[in-house]
Amino acid sequence: GIQVEQSPPDLILQEGANSTLRCNFSDSVNNLQWFHQNPWGQLINLFYIPSGTKQNGRLSATTVATERYSLLYISSSQTTDSGVYFCAVGGYSGNTPLVFGKGTRLSVIA
Amino acid sequence: NAGVTQTPKFQVLKTGQSMTLQCAQDMNHNSMYWYRQDPGMGLRLIYYSASEGTTDKGEVPNGYNVSRLNKREFSLRLESAAPSQTSVYFCASSEMAEAFFGQGTRLTVV
Repeated sequence: GIQVEQSPPDLILQEGANSTLRCNFSDSVNNLQWFHQNPWGQLINLFYIPSGTKQNGRLSATTVATERYSLLYISSSQTTDSGVYFCAVGGYSGNTPLVFGKGTRLSVIA
Repeated sequence: NAGVTQTPKFQVLKTGQSMTLQCAQDMNHNSMYWYRQDPGMGLRLIYYSASEGTTDKGEVPNGYNVSRLNKREFSLRLESAAPSQTSVYFCASSEMAEAFFGQGTRLTVV
């Protein structure tokens, strides 16, 4: 099955700093999502981005499907950005279940 | 718009007891999923249902059964709970694209 690797596993930032999280995957996909798991355990959809670039406020994401990676950019980080960021990918048929990476744990310090 | 609703939110079971985790979605999605999340492991797929009337095993199905009751509802049953099933359980739904997750059920088996 598809393998998903996220890096770095842990990241500590000073408030206001920028960061880039990476997701590598082992096969062609037709679904790629980024999630933020907040300290209460809730999974929040950030981006549905099987290819291309999207932006939402201080967050943006880019997926280069042909090279099998995606990047999540967080600019001007805030303490509320803390939590775990997951990348998840789905294979080539429509409703193939998502396969998750192990996540990047982000801690933003004031 | 409720999205994906899971009940209960918390549960403590004794080893050997049985229980059913309930999941309902109001987005008219065909596909539904059950995942478990353990520390440092990301989310792993237990079972999924690509459409009403079908169910398939995921990565970690042992010790679980599922029922796709109708298009809205997908339940997960533990017939004889074991301490290894202590975890956070997430239900999700999707329709050929972005998946949405419920708030999770934190299950402890003692």
